[in-house]
Amino acid sequence: GEDVEQSLFLSVREGDSSVINCTYTDSSSTYLYWYKQEPGAGLQLLTYIFSNMDMKQDQRLTVLLNKKDKHLSLRIADTQTGDSAIYFCAERRSFNKFYFGSGTKLNVKP
Amino acid sequence: SQTIHQWPATLVQPVGSPLSLECTVEGTSNPNLYWYRQAAGRGLQLLFYSVGIGQISSEVPQNLSASRPQDRQFILSSKKLLLSDSGFYLCAWKQTGSEGYTFGSGTRLTVV
Repeated sequence: GEDVEQSLFLSVREGDSSVINCTYTDSSSTYLYWYKQEPGAGLQLLTYIFSNMDMKQDQRLTVLLNKKDKHLSLRIADTQTGDSAIYFCAERRSFNKFYFGSGTKLNVKP
Repeated sequence: SQTIHQWPATLVQPVGSPLSLECTVEGTSNPNLYWYRQAAGRGLQLLFYSVGIGQISSEVPQNLSASRPQDRQFILSSKKLLLSDSGFYLCAWKQTGSEGYTFGSGTRLTVV
């Protein structure tokens, strides 16, 4: 990805909360996204947040956006082994081009 | 319903051979179409995008080209593959009014 940064790995125990962080670059990005990729598969859209929002909650997922610091986070409550995957954040720039981070590999230990 | 098809799922090609990967979308018209590449252990790199038939924009100069011969068909090609072309290639589309991309299942290309 171009200048969208994420930590590479996160390991948590089943039942704990996971927090995946992302720093993006373009302050004019209108939407920010979280995608999930399971092994050998394409990317699945998990959730997104509009840039004029600070927080969005969707069942076990909470997205927090700090526009001043260009910081985006994804919190997964009650993390399950099925949540093990790579999580990508992405920002949407002009012409609907999405720029992705390098992905955070979440490992959930039973 | 709207679906995206990408094939083949895996491909092993020798260095110097040509490449053609195809992506088609069903159930929609005039989608924005995108090709991404994911190198091993890395994020996604936008390669090409298209807003209409015959309209291709390249993000990164490289050994690849793209074409959109029909509204719902997007093709990624190379005349001569390099070892560095190995990776996981993903096609994606976005419809006007929708928020996110929908991705195909990907093609894993190994150049040997």
